[in-house]
Amino acid sequence: EAGVVQSPRYKIIEKKQPVAFWCNPISGHNTLYWYLQNLGQGPELLIRYENEEAVDDSQLPKDRFSAERLKGVDSTLKIQPAELGDSAVYLCASSQGSGSEIDTQYFGPGTRLTVL
Amino acid sequence: KNQVEQSPQSLIILEGKNCTLQCNYTVSPFSNLRWYKQDTGRGPVSLTIMTFSENTKSNGRYTATLDADTKQSSLHITASQLSDSASYICVVSPYNTDKLIFGTGTRLQVFP
Repeated sequence: EAGVVQSPRYKIIEKKQPVAFWCNPISGHNTLYWYLQNLGQGPELLIRYENEEAVDDSQLPKDRFSAERLKGVDSTLKIQPAELGDSAVYLCASSQGSGSEIDTQYFGPGTRLTVL
Repeated sequence: KNQVEQSPQSLIILEGKNCTLQCNYTVSPFSNLRWYKQDTGRGPVSLTIMTFSENTKSNGRYTATLDADTKQSSLHITASQLSDSASYICVVSPYNTDKLIFGTGTRLQVFP
């Protein structure tokens, strides 16, 4: 079974440029998450989707970040314009969304963004 | 102050040795506590999940313990291998939410 797929794995851009990340969750997983992980820190949730609905985007900086999951499967996360402080690893995760209190999240390898 | 704190921040051990990583949390009430392993350049992978009523959970050479009274958890690694070199992250889920609160992790390095 394929895991969570993310692309690109690495991205280097200049500040003020736009950038987009793509995530394909595990087949059949209804819940999709985007996290930001700074070096030496744990992941921080940016947004959570239940199917195509964003159910928690309270930590998403909406002035420059946007996300979509139009068909309830794969998702894109966009930053426009990027700032130096956005350099981090962007992780995508998915889970079955069974409603169980121990719904396991499976993480992708992440996209490492460097903003110059 | 982080709601989930881990110690030590980093640890170096020799191959074959045992080690124990600590997690202290203030999240209360909580529904479950997880330990994840994150290899360099990879996403976190779940090792163990314990509900608030469980005291211990094993996964091969990894054994997690939970003391809900003192709000502490530990991850014990037995007979360490070079492949155990990674960051180990403690994650707590508050009661009745789908949120996960991540610790900052312990960076473990196993040398031959």
